[in-house]
Amino acid sequence: DTGVSQDPRHKITKRGQNVTFRCDPISEHNRLYWYRQTLGQGPEFLTYFQNEAQLEKSRLLSDRFSAERPKGSFSTLEIQRTEQGDSAMYLCASSQTPGQGPFATNEKLFFGSGTQLSVL
Amino acid sequence: AQTVTQSQPEMSVQEAETVTLSCTYDTSESNYYLFWYKQPPSRQMILVIRQEAYKQQNATENRFSVNFQKAAKSFSLKISDSQLGDTAMYFCALTARGSEKLVFGKGTKLTVNP
Repeated sequence: DTGVSQDPRHKITKRGQNVTFRCDPISEHNRLYWYRQTLGQGPEFLTYFQNEAQLEKSRLLSDRFSAERPKGSFSTLEIQRTEQGDSAMYLCASSQTPGQGPFATNEKLFFGSGTQLSVL
Repeated sequence: AQTVTQSQPEMSVQEAETVTLSCTYDTSESNYYLFWYKQPPSRQMILVIRQEAYKQQNATENRFSVNFQKAAKSFSLKISDSQLGDTAMYFCALTARGSEKLVFGKGTKLTVNP
């Protein structure tokens, strides 16, 4: 168990460029979550997957954002035509969860260390 | 809508002393869960303690305990015998039963001084 890993740790890009982040969850975890954390705020939910299926998306996830988890293992989050307001830390989390959801069963969410995005 | 409010942006405490972090929340749900997460400089969010709203007994985890006041919608975290390694951002979070989403407060930056 090597924990949730995210790559890259930091990303600096120019406005208008596309960026892609990767998250590798703990192996065999069936649920994977993306959160966004802006400066001075707590994390905000973006989306989650159960295996390869994306089951919920926040209204925060505009059309410029797309997330995938093609084989139910790692996930990618792509932001197209980045804007300065996209500057934030993007956190990934995973859990091994039966049907009721992680919180009902006291399963833990394991977070990665995030990808810090700066859009210039 | 669910909201979480942490009114203390920063706090400090001397090593070995006790500190209490405040959190209030609002939800229309009858079944929900409350959490405190710690985010050290490494940025990785770590679960500190969890409380199920239907349980009246306050949760404890070693040096960490909560004071859950359901009617007042208050959920404070007490850290006893503070250690230097407790220095971190602390986030209060809420989720409704059956939900996949955590709603976080803005956090309290705790500094433990030697």
